[in-house]
Amino acid sequence: GESVGLHLPTLSVQEGDNSIINCAYSNSASDYFIWYKQESGKGPQFIIDIRSNMDKRQGQRVTVLLNKTVKHLSLQIAATQPGDSAVYFCAENYGGATNKLIFGTGTLLAVQP
Amino acid sequence: ETGVTQSPTHLIKTRGQQVTLRCSSQSGHNTVSWYQQALGQGPQFIFQYYREEENGRGNFPPRFSGLQFPNYSSELNVNALELDDSALYLCASSLLGSNSPLHFGNGTRLTVT
Repeated sequence: GESVGLHLPTLSVQEGDNSIINCAYSNSASDYFIWYKQESGKGPQFIIDIRSNMDKRQGQRVTVLLNKTVKHLSLQIAATQPGDSAVYFCAENYGGATNKLIFGTGTLLAVQP
Repeated sequence: ETGVTQSPTHLIKTRGQQVTLRCSSQSGHNTVSWYQQALGQGPQFIFQYYREEENGRGNFPPRFSGLQFPNYSSELNVNALELDDSALYLCASSLLGSNSPLHFGNGTRLTVT
């Protein structure tokens, strides 16, 4: 499949290392945030979410940190594996009745064996 | 649990033509959203449907329209295609509410020549 990672910021890590992907969001009124993983030729896949009343949430091998003061999100992946190679997007929801998400520009994670 | 499915996977159209893309929502979800993803960029919100009515729209012209059916399947219609409409079109389903993650299909790759 064709790449979705053209002209994107790239993070290159060694297999087994921890990865940290950062994201700045735009709206201080956003109350819900999601990280998605997108592999070539596929749609975005839900990884983990966090609400604005939290500053940290953990999943399986992943942790999301939220700093509302500086409008910053990060995704930490422990013991990165080759299967983690993909483009990662953060997305914010302004709130309200719709599920409209505003996506960041994405980061290409390249895992070196 | 059945995920979000989209058809067709690829489509080639000529400028000025009309196109219809189809989506079947994940079971149990009552809201469907459509996003456009240009190559190398994050998805952009087109619109959302709930109870067969549009209840949120992004910055897209009226030639982008949609339908949601009682079984929560959906269509995206684009009239008078332009070259810049070439993109990956993603359908996502969810439960209504700003704190509900979207689950995406793998998209339809539309090429306008």
